[in-house]
Amino acid sequence: DTEVTQTPKHLVMGMTNKKSLKCEQHMGHRAMYWYKQKAKKPPELMFVYSYEKLSINESVPSRFSPECPNSSLLNLHLHALQPEDSALYLCASSHRAGTADNSPLHFGNGTRLTVT
Amino acid sequence: DAKTTQPPSMDCAEGRAANLPCNHSTISGNEYVYWYRQIHSQGPQYIIHGLKNNETNEMASLIITEDRKSSTLILPHATLRDTAVYYCIVRDQDNYGQNFVFGPGTRLSVLP
Repeated sequence: DTEVTQTPKHLVMGMTNKKSLKCEQHMGHRAMYWYKQKAKKPPELMFVYSYEKLSINESVPSRFSPECPNSSLLNLHLHALQPEDSALYLCASSHRAGTADNSPLHFGNGTRLTVT
Repeated sequence: DAKTTQPPSMDCAEGRAANLPCNHSTISGNEYVYWYRQIHSQGPQYIIHGLKNNETNEMASLIITEDRKSSTLILPHATLRDTAVYYCIVRDQDNYGQNFVFGPGTRLSVLP
């Protein structure tokens, strides 16, 4: 069981579709993260939100649009994706982000996205 | 880039201790070492982390060398359910330490 909940677990979308991935945590964490993981590769950071503000964007294409409506929720809006964007998308949270914090990241089980 | 190196794969007999090594020779004085594992089709699971003292919890023990340039994760009695990819991570201090950078990890196979 994980304390970070991601929905949906699986998503199939066409290249012209608009969809959203959702992530929720109720641990009082103030930092939230999106990672992308291709098959047989380690997770790669996409975005970091700290206190509901975007603090890191790892040069992610604009067809991925993150949103943090409040401290418990994190969304990833998807539009005009390509087949190569098919991957496992992982959400994580931590107590807070930054060098003053050594708390670990807690991950959800991800959304497996297939773009057709 | 990841600041750690790990062997790509290891085998361990069921019931024996699994010792997974990690090199982090460029680690700085205030950087912690974190260990995660990922079982197929699940998210990474936090195992343990430490700064310089050895740490133990219900899942594993973490042994960090005195110079902090390497560490070993010990699963004392490996079971088949411990088969997973194990990641050793040193938090990237760029971007104010907000980036956990995963390296390729070690694929541990626990054999019956």
